[in-house]
Amino acid sequence: GAVVSQHPSWVICKSGTSVKIECRSLDFQATTMFWYRQFPKQSLMLMATSNEGSKATYEQGVEKDKFLINHASLTLSTLTVTSAHPEDSSFYICSARDLGASSANTGELFFGEGSRLTVL
Amino acid sequence: GQNIDQPTEMTATEGAIVQINCTYQTSGFNGLFWYQQHAGEAPTFLSYNVLDGLEEKGRFSSFLSRSKGYSYLLLKELQMKDSASYLCAVIGQAGTALIFGKGTTLSVSS
Repeated sequence: GAVVSQHPSWVICKSGTSVKIECRSLDFQATTMFWYRQFPKQSLMLMATSNEGSKATYEQGVEKDKFLINHASLTLSTLTVTSAHPEDSSFYICSARDLGASSANTGELFFGEGSRLTVL
Repeated sequence: GQNIDQPTEMTATEGAIVQINCTYQTSGFNGLFWYQQHAGEAPTFLSYNVLDGLEEKGRFSSFLSRSKGYSYLLLKELQMKDSASYLCAVIGQAGTALIFGKGTTLSVSS
């Protein structure tokens, strides 16, 4: 299957600082990537849809000025958590579809390894 | 609105069979997925259903009834390593993101 890679896997930062998380499609091009957030013992909640070359689409209740998304190339999307606070501590996961593969017929999403953010 | 329901927790013993149910109410329907997620890891794909009926893949099977908005994941010959969270997810509109249920945490004991 397609490979999606995230970096960093773990990050600890001080309250008020900004953190950037990268999501790369390693063996395919992704015009669209999806960013999810997962709090402990809860499911994945869609935060935003990242579109290559255009603005991201945010889900209701997600602050676009706090969670900056940039999708500058067909293989890279970044999520920047600005002025992070302890309540932003969560597991952030990106995903994408490989539209050039057979899995495109089903709409299967391939997930990155996830990035665990802890804000002190 | 969109709603996907599944039980929060289930327990079973090694070698047994367990069925995890999922009901959904979404704007549109373009397929239902089951993913497995171990703690602290990303979800991994298990199965996909878009037409009514049963899809079998080794020890795992998934069933869909679109008219009832219902699916189940059947796990046979349970092993300890099957202890994980199982996520039911639906694509409402084609090309959009998956919408996930809250997941069912399965604990398999010896």
